[in-house]
Amino acid sequence: SQTIHQWPATLVQPVGSPLSLECTVEGTSNPNLYWYRQAAGRGLQLLFYSVGIGQISSEVPQNLSASRPQDRQFILSSKKLLLSDSGFYLCAWTGADTQYFGPGTRLTVL
Amino acid sequence: GENVEQHPSTLSVQEGDSAVIKCTYSDSASNYFPWYKQELGKRPQLIIDIRSNVGEKKDQRIAVTLNKTAKHFSLHITETQPEDSAVYFCAARISGAGSYQLTFGKGTKLSVIP
Repeated sequence: SQTIHQWPATLVQPVGSPLSLECTVEGTSNPNLYWYRQAAGRGLQLLFYSVGIGQISSEVPQNLSASRPQDRQFILSSKKLLLSDSGFYLCAWTGADTQYFGPGTRLTVL
Repeated sequence: GENVEQHPSTLSVQEGDSAVIKCTYSDSASNYFPWYKQELGKRPQLIIDIRSNVGEKKDQRIAVTLNKTAKHFSLHITETQPEDSAVYFCAARISGAGSYQLTFGKGTKLSVIP
């Protein structure tokens, strides 16, 4: 069966510091991968998606970037965090039609 | 692109009553409609989905109905229980090659009062 991992689970970072969040999927090959952000009490904002290694589509221009160095690995990065980057970051993958979410990383920028 | 509207944004029901959440979509080519439940601090979890070749689907106390003509679909929860309290998201997608994104509604916070 397929499993999706994210780490770290929680992160507290100062403004201006860099960020790296990692997502890996097991049990499937060539998945479509997604990064979402959810602000407190809000909906799901799609940040990036990838249909293959090195293929990244950005939905929202901001100070975040994404990379897919391996088939089942998706990384979200920032060079300098802003206060507004705080939120719950969810990685997801799509199998056929169904989208499955990872456990998420709760990021607090102080 | 696709746009999904979800109503209401908050819903309170007494335990044992039914709850209904409605979504409308804009793109008539959409043909896959999942519903997710997100408990506080947790990831969204798929609870039921429906494809456009089906008008209704049921799974125990949960059902989803789809009206393709009117471009709306609804989640029905019967005999609500406190553990049904959560945020529910609807979504729509054009199924098939070349389509990669789910378009989500803004969510409905359901509170079931014991």
